[in-house]
Amino acid sequence: SSELTQPPSVSVSPGQTARITCSGDVLSRQYSFWYQQKPGLAPILLIVNDSERPSRIPERFSASSSGTTVTLTITGVQPEDEADYYCQAADSSGVLFGGGTKLTVL
Amino acid sequence: QLHLQESGPGLVKPSETLSLTCTVSGGSINTRGDYWGWFRRAPGKGLEWIGSVHSSGSTYYSPSLKSRVTLSVDKSKNQFSLSLRSVTPADTAMYYCARLYISGYAGMDVWGQGTTVTVSS
Repeated sequence: SSELTQPPSVSVSPGQTARITCSGDVLSRQYSFWYQQKPGLAPILLIVNDSERPSRIPERFSASSSGTTVTLTITGVQPEDEADYYCQAADSSGVLFGGGTKLTVL
Repeated sequence: QLHLQESGPGLVKPSETLSLTCTVSGGSINTRGDYWGWFRRAPGKGLEWIGSVHSSGSTYYSPSLKSRVTLSVDKSKNQFSLSLRSVTPADTAMYYCARLYISGYAGMDVWGQGTTVTVSS
């Protein structure tokens, strides 16, 4: 089955821009989704269909897609953005998650 | 506003069956197009999909768990359930239910708060 690869960790200072990548062959033919999960809480859907942001999600969260890589961008990182971030797609075997990226706000 | 709530035992013995229920409130489980799914996150690990079910009864299972999982829907109670057989300590995790509004494989926009399940004798 397909795999989605994310960096285990990304660190940024408040106010900077954080970029989290997700790579996998399936991303060239299937939509991607992004989720944020903070400790002890359920995941939150951040991005749908590669780059669409649900209305309740702050504008500083955006995403783009190019070939087999999708990128989540957080512009002007806030301390409360410290969390785990997961990309997600689907293939013939079902739902795929990346391994997750821990965003640390220094 | 749609709300999901997981319920079930927090402790299960090895080799036994883990059974969880997700109660949907603020909306109908029978909404056309909506799927309902189970996910988990083991300690120190990432999110894992267990399976998805539609109110029609259609089911989709993770290949790695398919032999041990059954999902079902009770429309009269607005609930859907997870049964995971022959559990081992590796099944210890936080278990979440969620709505999938795009397909059986995507768009988990509403999640339950999660319930911790420990597999131990």
